[in-house]
Amino acid sequence: SQTIHQWPATLVQPVGSPLSLECTVEGTSNPNLYWYRQAAGRGLQLLFYSVGIGQISSEVPQNLSASRPQDRQFILSSKKLLLSDSGFYLCACGQGAKAFFGQGTRLTVV
Amino acid sequence: KQEVTQIPAALSVPEGENLVLNCSFTDSAIYNLQWFRQDPGKGLTSLLLIQSSQREQTSGRLNASLDKSSGRSTLYIAASQPGDSATYLCAVSDRGSTLGRLYFGRGTQLTVWP
Repeated sequence: SQTIHQWPATLVQPVGSPLSLECTVEGTSNPNLYWYRQAAGRGLQLLFYSVGIGQISSEVPQNLSASRPQDRQFILSSKKLLLSDSGFYLCACGQGAKAFFGQGTRLTVV
Repeated sequence: KQEVTQIPAALSVPEGENLVLNCSFTDSAIYNLQWFRQDPGKGLTSLLLIQSSQREQTSGRLNASLDKSSGRSTLYIAASQPGDSATYLCAVSDRGSTLGRLYFGRGTQLTVWP
């Protein structure tokens, strides 16, 4: 079965600094990949999804971007973080109709 | 736009009780519904997946039902245990055999005390 690796687990970054969160998947090929954000007191919000290398769909306008340079690698980036970017970021993989999630990255922008 | 609501937002019960968590969705044109468990500060663990053509799925002490026409699903937990304490999330998908977009509810935070 697939395993999803996310790092780092926690991150504290100053406002205006860049961001790079990485997600890699093992145990499957050509998966659909997703980035979700879970803000305090709110539900899970889909940020980006990808059906293949170089194919990224953005769900909400924001200062974040995503890239998929390899089949099983999904990267979430920002050039300049905002306070509102704080939250819990989750990478997910679709295998068939089922979703599998990584352990998440807790990002605090200060 | 699909909206998913979960009731109650929080639930605190003594060990041994049977529980029902509710999930409703506004657009009945879904392909499947999934229930997840999330422990504090952790990712989501898939519990049950119900295809739109199915009525229910069971795994151990968990049973999930789906009434697509009325836009409702319930998660039944039998003989609850303290280890069941977590947040339970339901999500509906807009695609069938391949995972599409998942629309999540805000979850039910469950506490089971000994």
